[in-house]
Amino acid sequence: DTGVSQDPRHKITKRGQNVTFRCDPISEHNRLYWYRQTLGQGPEFLTYFQNEAQLEKSRLLSDRFSAERPKGSFSTLEIQRTEQGDSAMYLCASSPPGYLTLRKSAFFGQGTRLTVV
Amino acid sequence: TQLLEQSPQFLSIQEGENLTVYCNSSSVFSSLQWYRQEPGEGPVLLVTVVTGGEVKKLKRLTFQFGDARKDSSLHITAAQPGDTGLYLCAGGGSNYKLTFGKGTLLTVNP
Repeated sequence: DTGVSQDPRHKITKRGQNVTFRCDPISEHNRLYWYRQTLGQGPEFLTYFQNEAQLEKSRLLSDRFSAERPKGSFSTLEIQRTEQGDSAMYLCASSPPGYLTLRKSAFFGQGTRLTVV
Repeated sequence: TQLLEQSPQFLSIQEGENLTVYCNSSSVFSSLQWYRQEPGEGPVLLVTVVTGGEVKKLKRLTFQFGDARKDSSLHITAAQPGDTGLYLCAGGGSNYKLTFGKGTLLTVNP
């Protein structure tokens, strides 16, 4: 296992279309996160899973966004009726049990760059 | 809302120079992580610090966590062109989320 994997790396879509991104975390990591990063900004938290349970969603995650992690392994992030303001880098990260409290850290994937035209 | 401010926002230096970037907050964090990000790529973890006053060294990089766990610094000695990138600090609280600063964009010219 070489790390967190995201697919696709790049996506160009027309406004109004739906898009879905996939994230495969590091295999022993039970926690999975989605972040969004726009130009000139640091990543912003979107949502968090522990195993298959989605435990928190940011207010940034509008009703057009939905995330799933059906078997506690990979996760998908879907954006419906995309808008130009959705253009950003979508980052997935995973972490093991004992995250932060035991100096364990979150590791990020390479991201999916979404461009809505 | 916890906020992290990084300074400077941009830094351009010559190879061989030393530099320090700062990460400050009015909030206390249980841990602080530094990442480096290259264009079009995800952030790569450099270090995690959890104890107030902690200092960690990674080759030419020295990381310090403030005594009050509200701030941190990253010092690079004898910078090289390969150090070029966006340096992000991220604070971890009692929950699992990271709060990121906007980053310091470092350019090291040969």
